[in-house]
Amino acid sequence: EVQLIQSGAEVKKPGESLRISCQASGYTFTNYWIAWVRQMPGKGLEWMGIIFPGDSKTKYSPSFQGQVTISADTSLTTAYLQWSSVKASDTAIYYCARHPGNYKLWSGFFDFWGQGTLVAVSS
Amino acid sequence: QSVLTQPPSASGTPGQRVTISCSGSSSNIGSNAVTWYQQFPGTAPKLLIFSNNQRPSGVPDRFSGSKSGTSASLAISGLQSGDEADYYCAAWDVSLNAWVFGGGTKLTAL
Repeated sequence: EVQLIQSGAEVKKPGESLRISCQASGYTFTNYWIAWVRQMPGKGLEWMGIIFPGDSKTKYSPSFQGQVTISADTSLTTAYLQWSSVKASDTAIYYCARHPGNYKLWSGFFDFWGQGTLVAVSS
Repeated sequence: QSVLTQPPSASGTPGQRVTISCSGSSSNIGSNAVTWYQQFPGTAPKLLIFSNNQRPSGVPDRFSGSKSGTSASLAISGLQSGDEADYYCAAWDVSLNAWVFGGGTKLTAL
């Protein structure tokens, strides 16, 4: 059974660093892309970026380039999303989602999703 | 402002057929396949339609997708109260070099 299990909710102050995780199981981690998607309170979905754990190739949305870092640890079958300095505007639910590796990025889809990690940033 | 445009809401009576539209441009829907996701309150999105009109295993055939030019549609036939959710379209945008989503449509069964 494919599962993406995300780390728990985080409460941070502006300026703090943060890393959230997405542990994959039930499939070959290195054969699929893992994306991160943001959902701000009461708003829609926004694609942040994606990583192919097999070779660590990473692509970011222009809106999030330089704002976050996506990485993966194949030994732990875990993908990460990190901030060096969070802002109040980073308050949102963050989802990880799997993208089939046998599809080109532009023709694929997100077939399994994590349960989401709530990040709250407030002074 | 989302790159893909969806109506904020849609509704229908149980048993009715409802459609949700998704409008884009030549750099996204006009160039690439469309996917649709269903999201119930407080839960993660779920893949509903991929490659414009393909249903993943387990998705009822009451749900169907279509695409024409720079627009796409999701149709739900035999509407049920359990279909009340938010629905999002998505496609790869070749100009932005990124996945883009619609703003979402809240479906209500009257």
